[in-house]
Amino acid sequence: DAGVIQSPRHEVTEMGQEVTLRCKPISGHDYLFWYRQTMMRGLELLIYFNNNVPIDDSGMPEDRFSAKMPNASFSTLKIQPSEPRDSAVYFCASSLSISGANVLTFGAGSRLTVL
Amino acid sequence: AQSVTQPDIHITVSEGASLELRCNYSYGATPYLFWYVQSPGQGLQLLLKYFSGDTLVQGIKGFEAEFKRSQSSFNLRKPSVHWSDAAEYFCAVGSNTGGFKTIFGAGTRLFVKA
Repeated sequence: DAGVIQSPRHEVTEMGQEVTLRCKPISGHDYLFWYRQTMMRGLELLIYFNNNVPIDDSGMPEDRFSAKMPNASFSTLKIQPSEPRDSAVYFCASSLSISGANVLTFGAGSRLTVL
Repeated sequence: AQSVTQPDIHITVSEGASLELRCNYSYGATPYLFWYVQSPGQGLQLLLKYFSGDTLVQGIKGFEAEFKRSQSSFNLRKPSVHWSDAAEYFCAVGSNTGGFKTIFGAGTRLFVKA
């Protein structure tokens, strides 16, 4: 398996622009998580899905952030409009509930810089 | 609410020396506990996990961790560190009740000197 695939790996954009981050989980995994990593706040859970349904989005910082999972093999995290304080590395992770839904396989991350 | 504390922001050890990274957690029930490692520019990789049973768990790359309920700790150990172990290490706590949130500690950066 190719693992969890994220794109883009790097994104530089200007304040106010829309940003879309993409994630392809491991085939067969039924949970998908979006995390954000910054020096100041560490790893924060933003939202997670089970069988494509959002279960907990309490970590989404504000309405500018939205996430979707239209099917089992694809998820997006969108920021509109983006702000400099959104600069961070965004990780997608997936897991399989029968093996332990907390056993996460992470993607390599998308590094976002908002100027 | 779950929480994880890693008291050491960074640690430096000599190659070949032993290593112990500290982790304390707060959780109302029996937690699921994890250690992940992150190399620069990479995602996190699972080193080991504790769900139940034997409190001493073995992981990949020669790492082990011991769950001590009385101390709410899950410290990571390695008897002999290699230069390739230099990375950031994250302790995490999760559960299978009320959702599958996994909460991560702030991380400990390990430096290995020759």
